[in-house]
Amino acid sequence: GAVVSQHPSRVICKSGTSVKIECRSLDFQATTMFWYRQFPKKSLMLMATSNEGSKATYEQGVEKDKFLINHASLTLSTLTVTSAHPEDSSFYICSAPLQGSGGEQFFGPGTRLTVL
Amino acid sequence: KQEVTQIPAALSVPEGENLVLNCSFTDSAIYNLQWFRQDPGKGLTSLLLIQSSQREQTSGRLNASLDKSSGRSTLYIAASQPGDSATYLCAVMYNQGGKLIFGQGTELSVKP
Repeated sequence: GAVVSQHPSRVICKSGTSVKIECRSLDFQATTMFWYRQFPKKSLMLMATSNEGSKATYEQGVEKDKFLINHASLTLSTLTVTSAHPEDSSFYICSAPLQGSGGEQFFGPGTRLTVL
Repeated sequence: KQEVTQIPAALSVPEGENLVLNCSFTDSAIYNLQWFRQDPGKGLTSLLLIQSSQREQTSGRLNASLDKSSGRSTLYIAASQPGDSATYLCAVMYNQGGKLIFGQGTELSVKP
């Protein structure tokens, strides 16, 4: 199957700093990637759709100035959590659909963000 | 509103049992449905993908069925093993290449 990677896998930062998370499709190109957030014992909540070469589409209630998304190439999307606060602590996961697979999506291993 | 529901939220079974996980969705006009496995603190592993035109898919001890008209899917796990312990998530896609709508997951524990 297709492989999606994320970096870093875990990050701890102080309140007020910005954190960048990378999502890469390693063996396929992805014009679209998706960013999810997951709280403990909860399901995945879609935050935004990342579109290569254009602006991201954010879900209702997600602050676009808080969660900056850049899809600079066909294999890389980045999520930057700006001025992070403790309530931003969560598990962030990205996914990418593999073209020609009937819409099957492949997920990264996730990034655990802890804001102190 | 498009919603996905999974029942039960948690399930504990002895090793060797066959089991069924349930997933229901409110809008039956789906493009596909995907079952995932998630281990604690990890990402999602795709288990099975069923297209809207299909009735079932099989992979090893796993069998997923789809009944669009009733808005239901089941994941059947045969001869369960302790290594099957994880959270199982179903997700529905309504447009090709579009976003997935997830159920809340079923946390499965298989006891040796």
